[in-house]
Amino acid sequence: KAGVTQTPRYLIKTRGQQVTLSCSPISGHRSVSWYQQTPGQGLQFLFEYFSETQRNKGNFPGRFSGRQFSNSRSEMNVSTLELGDSALYLCASSGGRFQETQYFGPGTRLLVL
Amino acid sequence: GENVEQHPSTLSVQEGDSAVIKCTYSDSASNYFPWYKQELGKGPQLIIDIRSNVGEKKDQRIAVTLNKTAKHFSLHITETQPEDSAVYFCAASLEASFGGSNYKLTFGKGTLLTVNP
Repeated sequence: KAGVTQTPRYLIKTRGQQVTLSCSPISGHRSVSWYQQTPGQGLQFLFEYFSETQRNKGNFPGRFSGRQFSNSRSEMNVSTLELGDSALYLCASSGGRFQETQYFGPGTRLLVL
Repeated sequence: GENVEQHPSTLSVQEGDSAVIKCTYSDSASNYFPWYKQELGKGPQLIIDIRSNVGEKKDQRIAVTLNKTAKHFSLHITETQPEDSAVYFCAASLEASFGGSNYKLTFGKGTLLTVNP
């Protein structure tokens, strides 16, 4: 099976802009989670989608949002970008027998100038 | 909420030696504990996981132990090789078979393992 794919791999934006990141889960997986990774805060949970519904949400401001499509592909959006949003954004999918086991994609590196 | 502490933050070993990374967690409800390896420029890769109904699990040179009473778990890598050099993360969450739907992973801060040839 193909793994989790994320596009784009790299992005450079300026403060105030918005950005949309995309994630395609492993075939057959219905749950997609998003994490933010920074040197200072480490890996932090953003939100999780299952069957097009947001099932769980982390402690991030409302500027961070997401959605999931009927084919389980997911997008996350960050509006009004701030310098502190510079990070590696990771998508993970899970499904099958062990719903809690998450497999990560390569991430999207976002740089906000 | 859950809090996961990981030690050490850096670990340097000679090739062939063993490496041990330890994690503690705060929420006694957590019962699923995966370990991830992250190489430069890549996403975290699941290397081994353990569930609350077992105390130890092995996969070739890698083993994980779990002590639910003390709320800590450890990763053991034997006969280390230069390609084991990476950042290792422990994490904790709930296991699906116990019901509910909150599988949010709470991660430790990571351990940079360097294996010197």
